[in-house]
Amino acid sequence: DAGVTQSPTHLIKTRGQHVTLRCSPISGHKSVSWYQQVLGQGPQFIFQYYEKEERGRGNFPDRFSARQFPNYSSELNVNALLLGDSALYLCASSWEGNSYNEQFFGPGTRLTVL
Amino acid sequence: SQKIEQNSEALNIQEGKTATLTCNYTNYSPAYLQWYRQDPGRGPVFLLLIRENEKEKRKERLKVTFDTTLKQSLFHITASQPADSATYLCALGSNDYKLSFGAGTTVTVRA
Repeated sequence: DAGVTQSPTHLIKTRGQHVTLRCSPISGHKSVSWYQQVLGQGPQFIFQYYEKEERGRGNFPDRFSARQFPNYSSELNVNALLLGDSALYLCASSWEGNSYNEQFFGPGTRLTVL
Repeated sequence: SQKIEQNSEALNIQEGKTATLTCNYTNYSPAYLQWYRQDPGRGPVFLLLIRENEKEKRKERLKVTFDTTLKQSLFHITASQPADSATYLCALGSNDYKLSFGAGTTVTVRA
C-alpha cells in the first residue's frame, strides 16, 4: 500500500507570494494533519482535518489555511509568504477511531522563501 | 506555556550499548506520549505510544517509561546498531487532537 504522498517535493518562492501544498493520505485514513518543521526543531502542529472539518488548529497566523476534499486529500495554503515560513511542511494521516493520534507522515515539502 | 525538552546534546554510542534518551515537559498534562524516529530528509516514523496510566512499554529492542509525577519519559534502545542512527522525537498529546513535539535527540551508533 502507498504511504502518505505530498507534492511538490521542493518549492522556491519569494516573499509576498502564495503557495499551495498537497497531500494524499493513506487509503482508508480520514484524518489529515499538517505540521511545520524548521531546521533543528521538532514538527509544529498547524491543522488537523477530519471528514472535511477542521478539528484542531495550532498557533499559526491566519495566512495559513487548509481544506480537505471528499476523497480525504488535503491542501495547505500559505499567503503573503515571509522568510520565516521557510521550512519542511509535513502532512500526516491517521485512521478513524485512532484515539491516541498515531500519525503516519509523508516525506514533506521543502519550502524555501527568498 | 508548554515546554518539551529532549537531550540537548547529540548522543554518540558504541554498537551493542544501550542508548537512553530523555523527554521532560512542563505546564502540560498529556493523556499520552509517543516516540518517533526521523531520518534526514524524511518524515517521522511512529515507534511507540504510552498512555498516562502506563509506566512502561516495550517493543523489540525499544523500551519507554512514563513518569507523570516527574513529568518525564525515558526512551531506551538496547543492543544498539548503526542502523539505529537517527533523530528521535518525543510527542505529547491530549484530547484536542494536537501533538506537541520536542526538538529531538540525534543518536549516532558507532560500529
